[in-house]
Amino acid sequence: DGGITQSPKYLFRKEGQNVTLSCEQNLNHDAMYWYRQDPGQGLRLIYYSQIVNDFQKGDIAEGYSVSREKKESFPLTVTSAQKNPTAFYLCASIQAGTAIDEQFFGPGTRLTVL
Amino acid sequence: GNSVTQMEGPVTLSEEAFLTINCTYTATGYPSLFWYVQYPGEGLQLLLKATKADDKGSNKGFEATYRKETTSFHLEKGSVQVSDSAVYFCALPAGGTSYGKLTFGQGTILTVHP
Repeated sequence: DGGITQSPKYLFRKEGQNVTLSCEQNLNHDAMYWYRQDPGQGLRLIYYSQIVNDFQKGDIAEGYSVSREKKESFPLTVTSAQKNPTAFYLCASIQAGTAIDEQFFGPGTRLTVL
Repeated sequence: GNSVTQMEGPVTLSEEAFLTINCTYTATGYPSLFWYVQYPGEGLQLLLKATKADDKGSNKGFEATYRKETTSFHLEKGSVQVSDSAVYFCALPAGGTSYGKLTFGQGTILTVHP
């Protein structure tokens, strides 16, 4: 079955540590997205990538970094510069140039700072 | 860009009650409109969509009609179940040049009691 996988499901970070969240898709989608969700709140866009080797900042990119070296992979690094990283992180993807215009989501990674 | 305003929650209902969650939008043209659902601890799933004015999207007993006159896409269900307890998000394409980027409402938490 095609889909989006995120790992790990739960992640714990110590103060001052960088951590990397994995997002992989086998849907052959061109564009991929990272969102942050805080308790009781909506989704906020961190970064997105519409094509390999290219990505753009979203609304809350400070303290995060990404790479897009392969079409199927879009890892997110939460750096020590992100002062309040505890949140639920969601990865999504979409196919370009078709009539299918909805985003597909992964199951999420819950990051907690100890 | 496009924007969406979603009814604030939380919404608490008894089983078999009627559900309405309001969603209004501002958009250039007539983009697709979406309702996503997020069950506890999971990612978002597409619940239903409508691609043009007067279209009705439906799934799992939920319905929403794309009304351009009132720029609305309200979600309804005639008889809710405990298993419908989740967070519901209204969404539409963000507009502009960023293909695939979506704008989400803030989400409405629905709790259904037996």
